[in-house]
Amino acid sequence: QKEVEQNSGPLSVPEGAIASLNCTYSDRVSQSFFWYRQYSGKSPELIMSIYSNGDKEDGRFTAQLNKASQYVSLLIRDSQPSDSATYLCAVTGAAGNKLTFGGGTRVLVKP
Amino acid sequence: EAQVTQNPRYLITVTGKKLTVTCSQNMNHEYMSWYRQDPGLGLRQIYYSMNVEVTDKGDVPEGYKVSRKEKRNFPLILESPSPNQTSLYFCASSFKGQGNTGELFFGEGSRLTVL
Repeated sequence: QKEVEQNSGPLSVPEGAIASLNCTYSDRVSQSFFWYRQYSGKSPELIMSIYSNGDKEDGRFTAQLNKASQYVSLLIRDSQPSDSATYLCAVTGAAGNKLTFGGGTRVLVKP
Repeated sequence: EAQVTQNPRYLITVTGKKLTVTCSQNMNHEYMSWYRQDPGLGLRQIYYSMNVEVTDKGDVPEGYKVSRKEKRNFPLILESPSPNQTSLYFCASSFKGQGNTGELFFGEGSRLTVL
């Protein structure tokens, strides 16, 4: 079992709809959780970080964390074609010095 | 401009010919790390450094070396490259602190092909 798992997709959503991405992790003592966006041929860029249970909103993005169930999700509201990218979930361990990435979910927003 | 700079961006080399990929950051970050990205395997950590002269292995360190003599630089060394090291390499950095090692700034990537 991979330490951080994501559905590879592609997740196809119509423009204006909500894209919902999920990520599960295996290490119960994981402390910090991140979502990165990676456009094709580009480097990953941080879009959201979340450290405690609950929801965190930033513009059209909402990250949700449930440590008891060991999952973290990302919602993209009012999806735009420019949101078409691969979204990487990343998790740090208890010491905070090792970041493990999931395989990524490819999102395709269709006009 | 805050950035992480990697060189070379593209390199084709032959088996056994030592090479170094340089990485430099201008944000005074303490934490630096190298990742490789392969189709179907995602991003995997090779080595990381919490501070100057402090380095540690990630998940796939075999065949690689690193050094951290200065805060801004973290070169990746392939002493004897092999074809299975053909990959896209990313250097990344962040401020150190609880959880901060996850808020990474990435370089543009170095695509390495070993023949």
